[in-house]
Formats: sequence, structure tokens, C-alpha cells
Amino acid sequence: NAGVTQTPKFQVLKTGQSMTLQCAQDMNHNSMYWYRQDPGMGLRLIYYSASEGTTDKGEVPNGYNVSRLNKREFSLRLESAAPSQTSVYFCASSGSGQSSYNEQFFGPGTRLTVL
Amino acid sequence: GDSVTQMEGPVTLSEEAFLTINCTYTATGYPSLFWYVQYPGEGLQLLLKATKADDKGSNKGFEATYRKETTSFHLEKGSVQVSDSAVYFCALTRPAQKLVFGQGTRLTINP
Repeated sequence: NAGVTQTPKFQVLKTGQSMTLQCAQDMNHNSMYWYRQDPGMGLRLIYYSASEGTTDKGEVPNGYNVSRLNKREFSLRLESAAPSQTSVYFCASSGSGQSSYNEQFFGPGTRLTVL
Repeated sequence: GDSVTQMEGPVTLSEEAFLTINCTYTATGYPSLFWYVQYPGEGLQLLLKATKADDKGSNKGFEATYRKETTSFHLEKGSVQVSDSAVYFCALTRPAQKLVFGQGTRLTINP
């Protein structure tokens, strides 16, 4: 039981390049999330998926797209990277229903630098 | 909307000192409350939680009590260790709603 896994762990891009961050969970959770964490700013929600087949914008969706490929996988794509997207990206998942209390489980993060 | 306010950091203590990190919230209804911990270079881990008023969450010597009358969920530990150095996040959620995080408090424990 690996929990939430993310790839890659580190990435350096040049401005204008594109890339996809991958996330997978093996807990049979319905909901998945992408956050970014910048120094001194806590976590900000980029996009989330409440269930397979649905996605919704969070606080800071501009410059990103997401795909909920199936129940396990939720990817985040940067179409044209900008230095302002230098950050640490975390994927999370949670179950649904009262018993789960919406507790979220986090992956180890992807550290992205855009030059 | 819902919000969480945490004590501003950074907080620096000596080993074996008493720790309190304040957290207050604004939410309608009856949220569940959480403390998450982030060790250097890692993702967030759930530290403890409380789902109704007067519940006390506890784990690894940390405790927090859900106080509805003061809308607070302060984190406490009686004797901190160097290994407790981390960033601590208070958070809340309501049924079918997303997690709302505080801004995080960086804690450093000196030997």
C-alpha cells in the first residue's frame, strides 16, 4: 500500500516548456487534489476532482490543466511554464462520506524550478 | 467563507519546553478540525484530528481540543524534542467541502 505517489520528484524547466506532473493513489479514494506550496504562503489549491470524470478549479488555476485519467490517477499539466510557477507541488487524495471526515493524504511532492 | 488563522511563526524553543501553537477558525455548521505536520523535504502528514465539539485529538505527545465556544483548536505538547522541528498546519473541513488550511507555523527546537 504505497498511498499517494508523485513523479517526478524534481524537475527543472526553461520558460515556455511544458510538462505533466503525475499522481496516483491506491486507497480507492474518490477525491483528488493538486496544491502548490510557496515559501511563507502555505498551501494553495490549484485544481481538484471530487470524483472520477469531474474536475474543478481551486484558488490558483491559471496556467494549469488537469486530467482525472481514472479513479487512481490525477495529472497536472503546465502548458507553457513561467518562472512564477516555480514551487513545490503536492497531490492529495481523500475518501468520501462521513466516516472519512474528508481527511486528506498527501504525496511527497514535486519540486519544480522554471528558469 | 470558511477560514483558519494560525499563530504566526517562526517559533523557536529549547528542547523539553512547553509548546502551544494557536489556531482559530471561522466556519458555518460543525466542521472537523485537523493538525497536519510537514517535516523538512516531505509532504504533509495528519498529526491529529477532532470531529465534534469538546473532542480531544492526540498523537505523538501532541494534543488539541475542539473548543466551539472560542472557535479554537490550539496545538500543545508538554515537552518538545528536536525531532518535532517542522511546519504545522491547522485545517478544517465540513461535509462535502474542501480542506481549508491555515498559513502554517514553522517550529524549530534547539538542543
